[in-house]
Amino acid sequence: QSVLTQPPSVSAAPGQMVTISCSGSTSNIGNNYVSWYQQLPGTAPKLLIYENNNRPSGIPDRFSGSKSGTSATLGITGLQTGDEADYYCGTWDSGLSAHVFGSGTKVTVL
Amino acid sequence: QLQLQESGPGLVKPSETLSLTCTVSGGSISISGYYWGWIRQPPGKGLEWIGSIYYSGSTYYHPSLKSRVTISVDTSKNQFSLKLTSVTAADTALYYCARHHHNPNYDYWGQGTLVTVSS
Repeated sequence: QSVLTQPPSVSAAPGQMVTISCSGSTSNIGNNYVSWYQQLPGTAPKLLIYENNNRPSGIPDRFSGSKSGTSATLGITGLQTGDEADYYCGTWDSGLSAHVFGSGTKVTVL
Repeated sequence: QLQLQESGPGLVKPSETLSLTCTVSGGSISISGYYWGWIRQPPGKGLEWIGSIYYSGSTYYHPSLKSRVTISVDTSKNQFSLKLTSVTAADTALYYCARHHHNPNYDYWGQGTLVTVSS
């Protein structure tokens, strides 16, 4: 049972936009930076967003992150078939004294 | 380009100790400001942080695993290692090593190694 709640799945047609929510508390998202990861089938996770809304070099601007209060959101615009993957949010939880990850969201391109 | 590679037995018997090593290449493990962590993923499930270490040897672990986990670093070999004692079937997972900033954000990952706990 993850302390960060994500929807199990989201879907949209190619070219459309999806958003993935990550809901937490003041112990985690509310007072710490959030990162987002993409895990393509059979591969290791890849950092998409760090410190709430920053993209590492090489990550297209179709991916964006935001945070408000105790929730964070990942947005993907111009959806492509190659975006089909599991997406995870992550942060530090001060109450647990642990790195925590969300439950994961599967993105399907219709 | 920094690369991380996990190595170790793929099969461990219940009650025994799981031991994995992560070899870092293309950069130094002794870089200031970055930590080296272990994360696992049970088959078909999500990510779980196990623990992390700084090149100085400072460690911190997930509270639920702390009694069974030891992470160490060998800067001369550019490696860090994981030991998990008294394993059960619940410890069967894909184990990843990764580098992270203290925030934390994991920017480099190994490919992962599957460890199965079974007699």
